[in-house]
Amino acid sequence: KAGVTQTPRYLIKTRGQQVTLSCSPISGHRSVSWYQQTPGQGLQFLFEYFSETQRNKGNFPGRFSGRQFSNSRSEMNVSTLELGDSALYLCASSLVAGGGANEQFFGPGTRLTVL
Amino acid sequence: DAKTTQPPSMDCAEGRAANLPCNHSTISGNEYVYWYRQIHSQGPQYIIHGLKNNETNEMASLIITEDRKSSTLILPHATLRDTAVYYCIVGNDYKLSFGAGTTVTVRA
Repeated sequence: KAGVTQTPRYLIKTRGQQVTLSCSPISGHRSVSWYQQTPGQGLQFLFEYFSETQRNKGNFPGRFSGRQFSNSRSEMNVSTLELGDSALYLCASSLVAGGGANEQFFGPGTRLTVL
Repeated sequence: DAKTTQPPSMDCAEGRAANLPCNHSTISGNEYVYWYRQIHSQGPQYIIHGLKNNETNEMASLIITEDRKSSTLILPHATLRDTAVYYCIVGNDYKLSFGAGTTVTVRA
């Protein structure tokens, strides 16, 4: 079974631009979560989607948004990029929503650099 | 906010057991203990999780104290490929908060 895939793997943008990152979960998984990882802040939760609905949201500004499609694939969008948005963005999928006894499977991440 | 406390680093000899402690004194009754690890430049990898009973799988064992305020991840026979940052996380939904973790270095 294929793992979580994320595209693109690397991205370079300039301040003020916007970016869209894509995540394809493991086949059959319906929950997709997004995380941001930076050296200073560590790994921080952005949001979780299940059945095309946002279930949970972390403490990030409204410039960060996402959506999930009927095939469970998810996209994350960041508008008006700032230098501090440079990070590794990780996507994780799970069979069901809400955590509990269910583990998450992480993708390799998208390395975003904002110049 | 991270709800766990882990030592920042530890060394382990190859072939020996690695015991990674984690304190989670404010854990709630319905919160699970999860362990993930992250090898440099890769996404985190799930290791094991538990609620109150000890758990074992092909990768590791998880020992949770009776009061659930602490736990220990045991890698029974550490290899060089086990060198990674190990995260202990508590929660019951996917709004997981990853702390700084423990950097484990396995030495030959």
